[in-house]
Amino acid sequence: ETGVTQTPRHLVMGMTNKKSLKCEQHLGHNAMYWYKQSAKKPLELMFVYSLEERVENNSVPSRFSPECPNSSHLFLHLHTLQPEDSALYLCASSQALGRLPHEQFFGPGTRLTVL
Amino acid sequence: AQSVTQLGSHVSVSEGALVLLRCNYSSSVPPYLFWYVQYPNQGLQLLLKYTSAATLVKGINGFEAEFKKSETSFHLTKPSAHMSDAAEYFCAVSEGTGGFKTIFGAGTRLFVKA
Repeated sequence: ETGVTQTPRHLVMGMTNKKSLKCEQHLGHNAMYWYKQSAKKPLELMFVYSLEERVENNSVPSRFSPECPNSSHLFLHLHTLQPEDSALYLCASSQALGRLPHEQFFGPGTRLTVL
Repeated sequence: AQSVTQLGSHVSVSEGALVLLRCNYSSSVPPYLFWYVQYPNQGLQLLLKYTSAATLVKGINGFEAEFKKSETSFHLTKPSAHMSDAAEYFCAVSEGTGGFKTIFGAGTRLFVKA
């Protein structure tokens, strides 16, 4: 595997379900991100981890819970979601955060549908 | 606060014609600017980036962008469109320090007609 991978690619869940999205990066990066991409809206940054420590939590509802067990893996745990949470969830990684902003490398996304 | 405005949610060009996608930014510090492309069912891929080294930046697939501070613009161009260029394009701006907060524009979908 190369680059940034995400599983599953598609997920349909009910409002009472609990599921998790997984992201893995094979680039040796140590910053990872979760974004939400909805139709007709700009990309929304949800969470950022740098060196496995959460450095940004962008007013995301608590029904979304991130986990970063190591620099290569990132999870997004989902529970009691709402239909408006249906979107494409993108994971990205970059070099460690420092003085210069680095470009981000994106996974293909997980298309989430909440019924 | 930083922001990015992409003018035109949809742009349509004929194959072989000039591609021009517009991006204006707002930043209180010297900006770092990026253009990303997203093909259907894929994540975003970096096309090019401006980090103050040169105002004209060349990227992949024949794209380039020019940083114009006086106009706060970073428009993306390609001299001759190809069918494979049909995709959504995102302009983005990052702070000069810290580095993690990248603000993305709403995107411009490019259609290429045969």
